[in-house]
Amino acid sequence: DAGVTQSPTHLIKTRGQHVTLRCSPISGHKSVSWYQQVLGQGPQFIFQYYEKEERGRGNFPDRFSARQFPNYSSELNVNALLLGDSALYLCASSVTRTANYGYTFGSGTRLTVV
Amino acid sequence: ELKVEQNPLFLSMQEGKNYTIYCNYSTTSDRLYWYRQDPGKSLESLFVLLSNGAVKQEGRLMASLDTKARLSTLHITAAVHDLSATYFCAVDMITQGGSEKLVFGKGTKLTVNP
Repeated sequence: DAGVTQSPTHLIKTRGQHVTLRCSPISGHKSVSWYQQVLGQGPQFIFQYYEKEERGRGNFPDRFSARQFPNYSSELNVNALLLGDSALYLCASSVTRTANYGYTFGSGTRLTVV
Repeated sequence: ELKVEQNPLFLSMQEGKNYTIYCNYSTTSDRLYWYRQDPGKSLESLFVLLSNGAVKQEGRLMASLDTKARLSTLHITAAVHDLSATYFCAVDMITQGGSEKLVFGKGTKLTVNP
């Protein structure tokens, strides 16, 4: 049974560029959330999507956007990359919006901005 | 704004010893999660605590939740080297808009020495 899959695993981008990160949730999971983890810190909430609609957004600038597709996979887009966007980006999926069974995290995408 | 505080942030202990990691949070929530993270890796779910008084055990780790005190503990019994990792607690928060997000502590970096 496949877990949460994220791609790519590693990415190096230049300041000012744009990046797209992808996430496929566990089969049957309709909720996908994105988190940013800067080195040495706990993950920070970026977005939650449920049934293809944005349900919540964290304290991130408008350069960050996301969407969820009919098959519940999701993309996170970041425009005009800054050095401070370098982080591990984690995708989490859950069965329902209220996540009574908890969240399962993907292996993450390590983004380095140079 | 929900704040989650873990202590200690760094813990160095000898094999065979016992210790407890504490997680305090600032506003009412009845759901708390513990995760383990190895260097450069994603988050591995350890425990899902869904109600006051919940206690769960897996191997040498035991987690508990006191929602009235807004406190969760992760107790380590007879530590072994394989437990060396960073441990995060995360509190489930429902926002005003109805979305659900996890608010993480800063993590406790545990090193178990022979």
